[in-house]
Amino acid sequence: ETGVTQSPTHLIKTRGQQVTLRCSSQSGHNTVSWYQQALGQGPQFIFQYYREEENGRGNFPPRFSGLQFPNYSSELNVNALELDDSALYLCASSLGGLAGSNEQFFGPGTRLTVL
Amino acid sequence: QQQVKQSPQSLIVQKGGISIINCAYENTAFDYFPWYQQFPGKGPALLIAIRPDVSEKKEGRFTISFNKSAKQFSLHIMDSQPGDSATYFCAASAGANNLFFGTGTRLTVIP
Repeated sequence: ETGVTQSPTHLIKTRGQQVTLRCSSQSGHNTVSWYQQALGQGPQFIFQYYREEENGRGNFPPRFSGLQFPNYSSELNVNALELDDSALYLCASSLGGLAGSNEQFFGPGTRLTVL
Repeated sequence: QQQVKQSPQSLIVQKGGISIINCAYENTAFDYFPWYQQFPGKGPALLIAIRPDVSEKKEGRFTISFNKSAKQFSLHIMDSQPGDSATYFCAASAGANNLFFGTGTRLTVIP
């Protein structure tokens, strides 16, 4: 059983650019949630995807968008990067639906630095 | 507005001692309360979790105590070891939805 993987590990961008982060969910999981973790803070929920549909969104602007693919992997896209977007971006996978579970398992994260 | 409040912000414990971290919540719809352990540069790792129908859950050296009426829950780490030094986050969710995290507790266990 493979765990949650994320790529890239680190990324440096400049203000105004766009970025795409990727996540492969744990084997058997159909739900992916994305979180932003600023330095010294707890993770903040961005959005969740269940079976390729957005299934909840936190208090983040529309320039944060996502996708989930048929194999349940997912992308997080951020447009018009701002300095405050610098953070660790975490992907968590879980099993949703009637046979689902609350348990969310996190990947190692992508460290994004915006200059 | 912080949905889950966590304290203390940092904690120093001697090896072999008991580490206690506390959390409080307001939303009575929360029905799942996990604790995560995070090492520097890594993602959070699920440590132990509890549902409100039980008051205590123990897994090895880790115990969650849950007080539904007070809307509080805590993590106890027995026989704390230097390898337990990490940041601990409590969290809560309603159904299979997003997790609301506390602000974290940085635990240092002194040999």
